[in-house]
Amino acid sequence: DQQVKQNSPSLSVQEGRISILNCDYTNSMFDYFLWYKKYPAEGPTFLISISSIKDKNEDGRFTVFLNKSAKHLSLHIVPSQPGDSAVYFCAATPSSNYQLIWGAGTKLIIKP
Amino acid sequence: EPEVTQTPSHQVTQMGQEVILRCVPISNHLYFYWYRQILGQKVEFLVSFYNNEISEKSEIFDDQFSVERPDGSNFTLKIRSTKLEDSAMYFCASSAGIQETQYFGPGTRLLVL
Repeated sequence: DQQVKQNSPSLSVQEGRISILNCDYTNSMFDYFLWYKKYPAEGPTFLISISSIKDKNEDGRFTVFLNKSAKHLSLHIVPSQPGDSAVYFCAATPSSNYQLIWGAGTKLIIKP
Repeated sequence: EPEVTQTPSHQVTQMGQEVILRCVPISNHLYFYWYRQILGQKVEFLVSFYNNEISEKSEIFDDQFSVERPDGSNFTLKIRSTKLEDSAMYFCASSAGIQETQYFGPGTRLLVL
């Protein structure tokens, strides 16, 4: 099941710079997208979401961009901080059901 | 800030035994979910629950699995006869409505020997 793909298993970024995490999806029925952050031995923590009626949503240092035609979304973190080091998951759902479909995650490492 | 809690944090059991994983969702939420993540794999949806009944379930959620909301606060996942392949991290989540953000608990790590 590859409906949601995060092709970069890991990403290393210098502190203070921009981190860009990417996510692609194949199911055109998806219309709500979420980013979660996860530390080891903890549950996923919600970061930011976007509905398909928008192409951008911003919350503090986090911005999510949605390109529906390309079936692509990205999470921008600026400026990146050491506490941002975690695994980031992209998830998607259609409005017709309840389940979140998850990507495999990208491990973000912020270097001091 | 309200949060989802789960107990136990770790559970070790013998194959064939029954386990019950417990969750306390956020108090004003109406939708409840269970997901699991096998080590090294993606997070997978198991089941959603609303208005005291299952709304949706995945292929993973077979007859060995059941969910219950025994009182006004707890939401449980029961595995009747555990198999080795049930070893995973099990996450409970809740949301205020459909297509509202799902908030996750810290997870229960289940190890079946």
